[in-house]
Amino acid sequence: DAKTTQPPSMDCAEGRAANLPCNHSTISGNEYVYWYRQIHSQGPQYIIHGLKNNETNEMASLIITEDRKSSTLILPHATLRDTAVYYCIVRTGNQGGKLIFGQGTELSVKP
Amino acid sequence: EPEVTQTPSHQVTQMGQEVILRCVPISNHLYFYWYRQILGQKVEFLVSFYNNEISEKSEIFDDQFSVERPDGSNFTLKIRSTKLEDSAMYFCAREKTASSTDTQYFGPGTRLTVL
Repeated sequence: DAKTTQPPSMDCAEGRAANLPCNHSTISGNEYVYWYRQIHSQGPQYIIHGLKNNETNEMASLIITEDRKSSTLILPHATLRDTAVYYCIVRTGNQGGKLIFGQGTELSVKP
Repeated sequence: EPEVTQTPSHQVTQMGQEVILRCVPISNHLYFYWYRQILGQKVEFLVSFYNNEISEKSEIFDDQFSVERPDGSNFTLKIRSTKLEDSAMYFCAREKTASSTDTQYFGPGTRLTVL
């Protein structure tokens, strides 16, 4: 089973920041938090990942709480093309580590 | 983001037939994965593959499934005798090192329809 909990759906106005929360209270010390998204039935698209420090790339920012029990993915200026299902995944530290997907958060960006 | 290619994009087959799904490799990506997604359901892990061996497989990956990378070329998923419930999107993913600092990149998927 997935080790994360996410709200099933969220709305966001176009141009505004989308803040997607994720709880992972049982995360272990060597486990990273990954975020992927899936648009319709396309392949999951990697967004960002981190261990304990906040991370930023061209797509998004990842804020991880100090106790690492939760995190927030931030899309700074959401567009209609960001409408997708967003998955927060805790990944094992072992080599060949599979990704365990939950139900994710369905983000709808509205004009 | 590295591009992952899968063929075919859509496969229609009769129940009981064998199908082979293919994933085109990237030279420096050593770890391969297959996932599937039944319509309306979660993405599910099937199998991981490294150094010509299965690293891990799920309960879904029973004797009807097999994977191989013949001659270092395409990474394939074979379903020997398809069932109606095998209808799903099948995604290949690849990764350089499979450590937690690395990233799995997914292909666009193959839609398998079993009639």
